[in-house]
Amino acid sequence: AQSVAQPEDQVNVAEGNPLTVKCTYSVSGNPYLFWYVQYPNRGLQFLLKYITGDNLVKGSYGFEAEFNKSQTSFHLKKPSALVSDSALYFCAVRSYNKLIFGAGTRLAVHP
Amino acid sequence: GAGVSQSPSNKVTEKGKDVELRCDPISGHTALYWYRQSLGQGLEFLIYFQGNSAPDKSGLPSDRFSAERTGGSVSTLTIQRTQQEDSAVYLCASSLGQGANEQFFGPGTRLTVL
Repeated sequence: AQSVAQPEDQVNVAEGNPLTVKCTYSVSGNPYLFWYVQYPNRGLQFLLKYITGDNLVKGSYGFEAEFNKSQTSFHLKKPSALVSDSALYFCAVRSYNKLIFGAGTRLAVHP
Repeated sequence: GAGVSQSPSNKVTEKGKDVELRCDPISGHTALYWYRQSLGQGLEFLIYFQGNSAPDKSGLPSDRFSAERTGGSVSTLTIQRTQQEDSAVYLCASSLGQGANEQFFGPGTRLTVL
């Protein structure tokens, strides 16, 4: 069965420091992977996706993610965190007609 | 351009009542999805519509849940005889077809069943 794991419930980082939000997946075949962000009382906003090609994918708001097939990971990264990046982040994998989401990781960026 | 819109934004109902939730997808998007977000279950897929094809209802949790999409655009999710465990945020999304296309989500409807 297809699945996504986000091993950290919360990530804390100081403003200006690099951040990483971890995601691992389990799929049969080639994965279509996505990252979404959710701000309080808002829907999910698309950040980036990996379909094929370059393992480093760049997305919105300065975020990027690295696809690693051997480690079945798709970690979200940003070189310099902003307080405004504080939100709930979801990793997802496409499975037939739907997205399967991880449990989410709350990112807290402290001034 | 306009994104996915949902109404109402909040709905409070009594146990046993029926509710209807509405979704207006992005114009031109042929695929429409409903998900449910709750504290205990995270984000769960409910149902998927693609053009004129039969919908994928594999995520609907019980026969109290149903959805329709009229004219390939607006969709309505109906929950009959609501139960307290139906309390959640119901999210609608749309995309250009299926496959690798990203899904764009609406703001959600927060349903509270008393």
